[in-house]
Order: sequence, then structure tokens, then C-alpha cells
Amino acid sequence: AQKITQTQPGMFVQEKEAVTLDCTYDTSDPSYGLFWYKQPSSGEMIFLIYQGSYDQQNATEGRYSLNFQKARKSANLVISASQLGDSAMYFCAMREGMNSGYSTLTFGKGTMLLVSP
Amino acid sequence: DAGVTQSPTHLIKTRGQHVTLRCSPISGHKSVSWYQQVLGQGPQFIFQYYEKEERGRGNFPDRFSARQFPNYSSELNVNALLLGDSALYLCASSLGSPGYSGNTIYFGEGSWLTVV
Repeated sequence: AQKITQTQPGMFVQEKEAVTLDCTYDTSDPSYGLFWYKQPSSGEMIFLIYQGSYDQQNATEGRYSLNFQKARKSANLVISASQLGDSAMYFCAMREGMNSGYSTLTFGKGTMLLVSP
Repeated sequence: DAGVTQSPTHLIKTRGQHVTLRCSPISGHKSVSWYQQVLGQGPQFIFQYYEKEERGRGNFPDRFSARQFPNYSSELNVNALLLGDSALYLCASSLGSPGYSGNTIYFGEGSWLTVV
């Protein structure tokens, strides 16, 4: 079974509208973290937002917020007031094994977001 | 402060050759990881180093090796290159121990490797 599932290969949104990018995850580790990254065509993986499994509140970073539903194992990214510069590939990633001294990121396949004027 | 820096940014190699990719983490960061991203996929974990010791290895053949230096920079080496090794190679750094939950992981711009 895939550990990170992003079911939307592509999403289209108009400028200034909000958009939600879906992410579901699978883990039996009680301590884990969820990340969202933005990857423009240049290739750089840009950190957007982080949610820890024990965090009580949903993470927010400017126009980005993470809708964390632990029971459903979902961690959707919400971008408010989309901008043309938001057009990029978006990856959801999970870090497990944080109590073992060794932890890595497992990525989903990504969602391509296109913002139109 | 500089972010994670990687070199070279682009390179073309012939099958069977060897390649060395370099990474300098964010100043003060002691943990470095390497990921391979083939076209159309998410990155796949290759290696993780912390305090110059290998802490983890992904499902990659022995042709792939890495090391971390006393200044926490790192090299990824790939021997006997195959066409399938063509990918974007990403380096990531984080502040403390890989097991610390508060670490945010930052990536460099990557090294685009094409094997012909």
C-alpha cells in the first residue's frame, strides 16, 4: 500500500480563488510529521508547511493552511487567494521513525496546480 | 544565510561513467539526506547522514555511495552509470538529529543528471 496518496494529478484554479490539494497517508507509527512542498519547473523543493502528529491545531503559514484530520489520515493543503506564481507541482510527504534516531521522507506522486488569470 | 547549495546544477554523463554530486547544508545543519527524483515521480530516499555517520539507506544498489565531511557537506557518488540513473538528485538538510520531531527539512535546487 502506498504510504502517501495524492489523488489529483492536476488541478486548475482561477487567480484569487482558494484551492485544496488532497493528501492521505498510511502509517502505524504514532509519531510522524507531514510536510507540503512546492516544486516549480526549476526543480527546487520549497518547504511550505509542517504538521506534527501530536499537534493539536492545524498548521498555518501565510496563505497556506493544512487541514489535518488524524482519524481520516488526511492532510490536505489549502491555498487561499491563489496567485499566478503558485503554479507548480505540489508534493505531500510524511516523516516516520522519529523516535528511532533515523527518519526519512516518503513522498506522494504530486499534484500539478495551474493558476489562470 | 545561504540555503542548501548543490553542484553541479546540470551534467551529462555516458553510460558506465562515474559521477560525484556535492551538497552544502544550511549553516549549522548537521543532517544531510539525498533523494532521487525521476521524471513524473516524487523523490525517493537514497541516504541519510548525521554527524558524519550514515543513519539510513534507501533501496538503491551498491553503485550508489555517499559520505559526509567534518564541515557537514556531503557527496553522493554513483558508479557504472545506467540510463535509468537519469534524474534530479536532491539534497536536504535539517538542524539536528534525524529523530527530532521539530526539524524542518530544507532542500536544495538539485542536480539534473542525464545519462546518455
